[in-house]
Amino acid sequence: QVQLVQSGAEVKKPGASVKFSCKASGYTFITFVMHWVRQAPGQRLEWVGCISGGNGDTKYSQKFQGRVTITRDTCACTVYMALSSLTSDDTAVYYCARGQGGFDPWGQGTLVTVSS
Amino acid sequence: QSALTQPRSVSGSPGQSVTISCSGTSSDVGAYSYVSWYQQHPDKAPKLIIYDVNKWPSGVPDRFSGSKSGNTASLTISGLQADDEADYFCCSYAGSYTVIFGGGTKLTVL
Repeated sequence: QVQLVQSGAEVKKPGASVKFSCKASGYTFITFVMHWVRQAPGQRLEWVGCISGGNGDTKYSQKFQGRVTITRDTCACTVYMALSSLTSDDTAVYYCARGQGGFDPWGQGTLVTVSS
Repeated sequence: QSALTQPRSVSGSPGQSVTISCSGTSSDVGAYSYVSWYQQHPDKAPKLIIYDVNKWPSGVPDRFSGSKSGNTASLTISGLQADDEADYFCCSYAGSYTVIFGGGTKLTVL
């Protein structure tokens, strides 16, 4: 079955960068777009950006433009998200989700905690 | 873009029906038929339950149904069950490769 498995939790200091991953299995990786969505504690979901599994084209939310980089490794069927210049407002669970008429399925989430 | 507007909470008894609204604008919900709904249980990842306004992903029961009128989308859950107690988020395409979510609605099954 389609499965997205994300890397483990991260703790970073303000100003640092973080990079985490999402490994896909159970489908043809290059035929779908992968999205990243984050959820701060008790807050709404927030779309961050996406990458085409095929040609690697990326789209980013204007809010994160310049701070976020999404990449993919087609051989490893893995998508990566990097976020720089972290602040406490970036403390959140970051989810990867396959674009398929909506976001489906979702990874289990990666908790990123930004704290001094 | 601002978030889509949802009621903070709704409730219903087992077997009843509830409807959750999702209010947007003519630039998002009103402009596109790309509204989706997600169910999220505590400390779990969201799960897609409706896409393209009123379509069901495989495995989702038809007790869940979606609709849209103008700038407002709605999710109706009929035959409420205890396991339906969760947070529900709406989502809409807003053009220019932008996606926005609602603030979420907590459903309580009494």
